[in-house]
Amino acid sequence: GAGVSQSPSNKVTEKGKDVELRCDPISGHTALYWYRQSLGQGLEFLIYFQGNSAPDKSGLPSDRFSAERTGGSVSTLTIQRTQQEDSAVYLCASGAGTDNSPLHFGNGTRLTVT
Amino acid sequence: AQSVTQLDSQVPVFEEAPVELRCNYSSSVSVYLFWYVQYPNQGLQLLLKYLSGSTLVKGINGFEAEFNKSQTSFHLRKPSVHISDTAEYFCAVIPLSGSARQLTFGSGTQLTVLP
Repeated sequence: GAGVSQSPSNKVTEKGKDVELRCDPISGHTALYWYRQSLGQGLEFLIYFQGNSAPDKSGLPSDRFSAERTGGSVSTLTIQRTQQEDSAVYLCASGAGTDNSPLHFGNGTRLTVT
Repeated sequence: AQSVTQLDSQVPVFEEAPVELRCNYSSSVSVYLFWYVQYPNQGLQLLLKYLSGSTLVKGINGFEAEFNKSQTSFHLRKPSVHISDTAEYFCAVIPLSGSARQLTFGSGTQLTVLP
């Protein structure tokens, strides 16, 4: 497809379980971002990949959160030992990698931790 | 570091009325500015962006925004709204230099257009 694809669209998990969220960016986009959107709040930056550079992980809220980007394309956000406060919509976005290029967002993964 | 403040979390307005969604930012360096819109259960879409040049920028769906450097503002306006404009609107900035190169968003403004 032409857009950013995220899977699954919805995920319900039990507290303490690990989850993996997947993002397929637009082909050729070198920049990839993960954001978290909690109910009634804005978008919280999590992590940023740009080409082959070391990722900017400054937004990850704890060491339970990690992300990889394989081959400069698909990215996986992993949350270990999930907690109820992890419940949110996780949004992925990709861009051409220049500062003024707009980001293209996926529809997000709604994570519910019970 | 930069920050973005959207002063109004909720803006109800009647159909065909004008609307202004306010955005102020703080940054120690120059920034690019963006407005994104999020319709229910969807990701964000770019409405418009200010990079340089004319301070009045026009975007999709009849929206426009004006960059005011002295007031560090980038307010979004539309002269006549439609029911279909009901959505959440996010202002965002990215610095032109420095180590914190990520796009920083405001907390969003929910625009509800009433019939």
